[in-house]
Amino acid sequence: GAVVSQHPSRVICKSGTSVKIECRSLDFQATTMFWYRQFPKQSLMLMATSNEGSKATYEQGVEKDKFLINHASLTLSTLTVTSAHPEDSSFYICSAPDGTNTEAFFGQGTRLTVV
Amino acid sequence: DQQVKQNSPSLSVQEGRISILNCDYTNSMFDYFLWYKKYPAEGPTFLISISSIKDKNEDGRFTVFLNKSAKHLSLHIVPSQPGDSAVYFCAARPTGNQFYFGTGTSLTVIP
Repeated sequence: GAVVSQHPSRVICKSGTSVKIECRSLDFQATTMFWYRQFPKQSLMLMATSNEGSKATYEQGVEKDKFLINHASLTLSTLTVTSAHPEDSSFYICSAPDGTNTEAFFGQGTRLTVV
Repeated sequence: DQQVKQNSPSLSVQEGRISILNCDYTNSMFDYFLWYKKYPAEGPTFLISISSIKDKNEDGRFTVFLNKSAKHLSLHIVPSQPGDSAVYFCAARPTGNQFYFGTGTSLTVIP
């Protein structure tokens, strides 16, 4: 089946620095990708929808300037957490629907720890 | 506003018995439903799906039931195995790409 690769799987960064997370669709093209965040013992919360060639659509309450999304090609979307703070520490997951929209494939997730 | 709800945060089942995970939704426009399995620090993996035109879909030990009038779906795992221990998310979508997820149910299968 289709595969979505997310990198890095773990990252520790200092407060105030920026971190980039990559999400790649390996064997299919994804015009849309989704970025989720999961807090401990909570559901996956949709942060934003990444659209190839256009601006991302952010969910209510998600800061656009803090979570920069770029979808430069049909196989790559990136999420950059800018000026990270400890409260940004979380598990971030990307996903991409397949071409028939019958399934959403997920990346492996990125555990971000801001110290 | 949580459009997909899993009211049981955890479930423990004896090995060999049936596990039943439940999911409720509020949006009558949802037409496709999925179950995902997630291990700690990993991304969710697809388990089974069902279209709104069906009321049952079966794949090996996993069966999903859909009750559209009640806006309820359930996942049955039988027989349950220790390797099934994970967090299970149900997801639903209206026509289009965006999936909405439930809060998850942590299943523990006791050997």
